[in-house]
Amino acid sequence: GAVVSQHPSWVICKSGTSVKIECRSLDFQATTMFWYRQFPKQSLMLMATSNEGSKATYEQGVEKDKFLINHASLTLSTLTVTSAHPEDSSFYICSARDWDKNEQFFGPGTRLTVL
Amino acid sequence: AQKITQTQPGMFVQEKEAVTLDCTYDTSDPSYGLFWYKQPSSGEMIFLIYQGSYDQQNATEGRYSLNFQKARKSANLVISASQLGDSAMYFCAMREGVSPGRDDKIIFGKGTRLHILP
Repeated sequence: GAVVSQHPSWVICKSGTSVKIECRSLDFQATTMFWYRQFPKQSLMLMATSNEGSKATYEQGVEKDKFLINHASLTLSTLTVTSAHPEDSSFYICSARDWDKNEQFFGPGTRLTVL
Repeated sequence: AQKITQTQPGMFVQEKEAVTLDCTYDTSDPSYGLFWYKQPSSGEMIFLIYQGSYDQQNATEGRYSLNFQKARKSANLVISASQLGDSAMYFCAMREGVSPGRDDKIIFGKGTRLHILP
């Protein structure tokens, strides 16, 4: 069964508003979570690496003030898209690492549409 | 520089035939892992198979096998006896470093869209 969940699965918002996406590991503790973005017909691009209790590490070209990541607990990481614009419309996928099993699991994704 | 290269944007294969999806990678790290994921139209990433750089044998998982040619830095996915449900996007991916504490992010190739024809 699914071991990583995301909420919401889809969201439509107005331009200028902020949207929060949650990523939860359901039956394991994830000290490290990853956030990816996927535009239509394109690959997954890593946005940032989120470590529990510390600041996220952003990939080159990703605005950390626009994409706020919080990893406050071992089972929850959140991505907040601040002042969203239509170009932020995308499929956002999180991934969580289970160190005990040395496996990495992906969430089902969140489809964001900014009007 | 692109680290994962998938040269086939799309493929059409007759049902029940075997299909090979190409993947080459680039890394100077002696320790790495290679993955294949399937992404159907629903968007979920489905893990198919994993090959570690130190694994002596090619990985196999049911109808999936990974043709690992380390010297050529090639990690092709072979799907035997293809089925209509195999139609999806397929991504090759790599993680450099396999030890805890290392930067273990997974990076993806551009993908290959596979169409299985009835």
